[in-house]
Amino acid sequence: ETGVTQSPTHLIKTRGQQVTLRCSSQSGHNTVSWYQQALGQGPQFIFQYYREEENGRGNFPPRFSGLQFPNYSSELNVNALELDDSALYLCASSEPLAVEQFFGPGTRLTVL
Amino acid sequence: DAKTTQPPSMDCAEGRAANLPCNHSTISGNEYVYWYRQIHSQGPQYIIHGLKNNETNEMASLIITEDRKSSTLILPHATLRDTAVYYCIVEFYSGAGSYQLTFGKGTKLSVIP
Repeated sequence: ETGVTQSPTHLIKTRGQQVTLRCSSQSGHNTVSWYQQALGQGPQFIFQYYREEENGRGNFPPRFSGLQFPNYSSELNVNALELDDSALYLCASSEPLAVEQFFGPGTRLTVL
Repeated sequence: DAKTTQPPSMDCAEGRAANLPCNHSTISGNEYVYWYRQIHSQGPQYIIHGLKNNETNEMASLIITEDRKSSTLILPHATLRDTAVYYCIVEFYSGAGSYQLTFGKGTKLSVIP
């Protein structure tokens, strides 16, 4: 069984640019959550998608947006990048009604 | 904001039990206690969860006090591979879709040879 995968693994952007990060959920999982983890901090919840609809959002501005596709894979888009957006971005998927979330290895974004 | 308090770091000798404490004095009746860990450069990994009763699985045991205001994660025989940041999380689980995790800073556990 393939686990949660994310692409790319690393990315360097400059301020003001836009970025798209991708996540493939584990087979059979219809819920995907995205988290941002700054250096030395715990992951912070960005938003969650359930059956292609946003199902909750954390304290992040609208320039952070997402999509979930019919195959339950997902994208995180960030517009107008700021230096503070530099972080590890984690995606997690879960089965319907399940407690356990399965995390991918993350995408390391550096904004210069 | 995280609803839990954990010590920032702990050491444990290899082969001994690692006992990681967590305070969650404001926990409400329908909130669960979850434990995840994050090994360096990897995504977090689920360990265990519980509501009221003590729980055990192949990875660890979770002891929750009777008043539910604190809990302890026990790794019975710590190995070097258990060196990681351990997060104690308190969240309400609605059963509809999934639940959202609010991470604090966790406890950095170092297992020493």
